[in-house]
Amino acid sequence: QKEVEQNSGPLSVPEGAIASLNCTYSDRVSQSFFWYRQYSGKSPELIMSIYSNGDKEDGRFTAQLNKASQYVSLLIRDSQPSDSATYLCAVNPDSSYKLIFGSGTRLLVRP
Amino acid sequence: DVKVTQSSRYLVKRTGEKVFLECVQDMDHENMFWYRQDPGLGLRLIYFSYDVKMKEKGDIPEGYSVSREKKERFSLILESASTNQTSMYLCASSILSGANVLTFGAGSRLTVL
Repeated sequence: QKEVEQNSGPLSVPEGAIASLNCTYSDRVSQSFFWYRQYSGKSPELIMSIYSNGDKEDGRFTAQLNKASQYVSLLIRDSQPSDSATYLCAVNPDSSYKLIFGSGTRLLVRP
Repeated sequence: DVKVTQSSRYLVKRTGEKVFLECVQDMDHENMFWYRQDPGLGLRLIYFSYDVKMKEKGDIPEGYSVSREKKERFSLILESASTNQTSMYLCASSILSGANVLTFGAGSRLTVL
């Protein structure tokens, strides 16, 4: 069974800090990686995608991918209370239509 | 904006009832998906469809069927609802070449008594 693992949290950080969210995956040949954000009572929305080793930055968000170690992370700089949500890591293991989601990490940003 | 609309936000059904969950998208997306989301288990794929009348099983298809008679509409059917199908059901769609960039509907919370 291909798996995507995340710490369920909650991860609590003060406003203005860097939040670091981590995800590991079991299938070494996975090629595509995604971070979705889900506010309480809402549906997930895509915030970042990454396909190559290294860092990808988009505003306050940075996705980091290390295929050799099979982990992907999301850094949120200058965290805001509005960033409080559950962050879902998703992996496409075989370039098919399927995404495998982790169970999510709940982030709380304290004012 | 792409809209994915799920017909029912909350449903309460009894064990053994037949349940229809409807999903409509308005951006001509080829791919449509049904997921269920349960605490601690994340999102799990039930079925997906990449074209009209085409369907493929996801990871947990048992107890479910789907129908896609029109490109914009993808229905999830529970032939005989059971209590272990109490869950949040999320429909999503994407373009053919962007299968991993999903746009989700608001979800349908089903309770089976």
